[in-house]
Amino acid sequence: AQTVTQSQPEMSVQEAETVTLSCTYDTSESNYYLFWYKQPPSRQMILVIRQEAYKQQNATENRFSVNFQKAAKSFSLKISDSQLGDTAMYFCAFMKHAYSGTYKYIFGTGTRLKVLA
Amino acid sequence: GAVVSQHPSRVICKSGTSVKIECRSLDFQATTMFWYRQFPKKSLMLMATSNEGSKATYEQGVEKDKFLINHASLTLSTLTVTSAHPEDSSFYICSAPTGVGETQYFGPGTRLLVL
Repeated sequence: AQTVTQSQPEMSVQEAETVTLSCTYDTSESNYYLFWYKQPPSRQMILVIRQEAYKQQNATENRFSVNFQKAAKSFSLKISDSQLGDTAMYFCAFMKHAYSGTYKYIFGTGTRLKVLA
Repeated sequence: GAVVSQHPSRVICKSGTSVKIECRSLDFQATTMFWYRQFPKKSLMLMATSNEGSKATYEQGVEKDKFLINHASLTLSTLTVTSAHPEDSSFYICSAPTGVGETQYFGPGTRLLVL
């Protein structure tokens, strides 16, 4: 069975600084997807970034980028130039490829990030 | 991105009554939707997979007679909490992928309080 581990329950970062959130996962699959979602105090889940396992290039979305290490089964999220609006709970998620017959998410336990003014 | 709505956003009910929560994909069709439950400061727990035109698939430990799911159209899934009790109080979230194996987009959630 797949598992997703986020080892940092809480983190804080000064505004404008850079922070990295860690995520590791365990799977025997070779093809899958990884995601980072943000859940601000409103509790609306917002997609931050998506990575396909078959792609070696790390995904980026503006200030957000990932360090995807397939062999190490690691998928960390880097937030550059942190803003107060980045304060949220961040969840890492794993999804098998659709040909596996199921494409439900496996979520990590989350990292609560607080950006300090 | 794709938009998913939920209604109501908040509901308070008496113990023993039933509550229906709607999940709609507004700008795409979703043959599959997912229902999650989230406790305060915890991760999302998948309850069931809702399949259009067929029975829902429930996760282990989730009572299907307690949490009835109906996916009657390609844009609407409903979760009915039957004979609700205080322990059913929680935050319920739905999601829908834009296609098979695609990214899930989440509704804003429904806060249920059972008195």
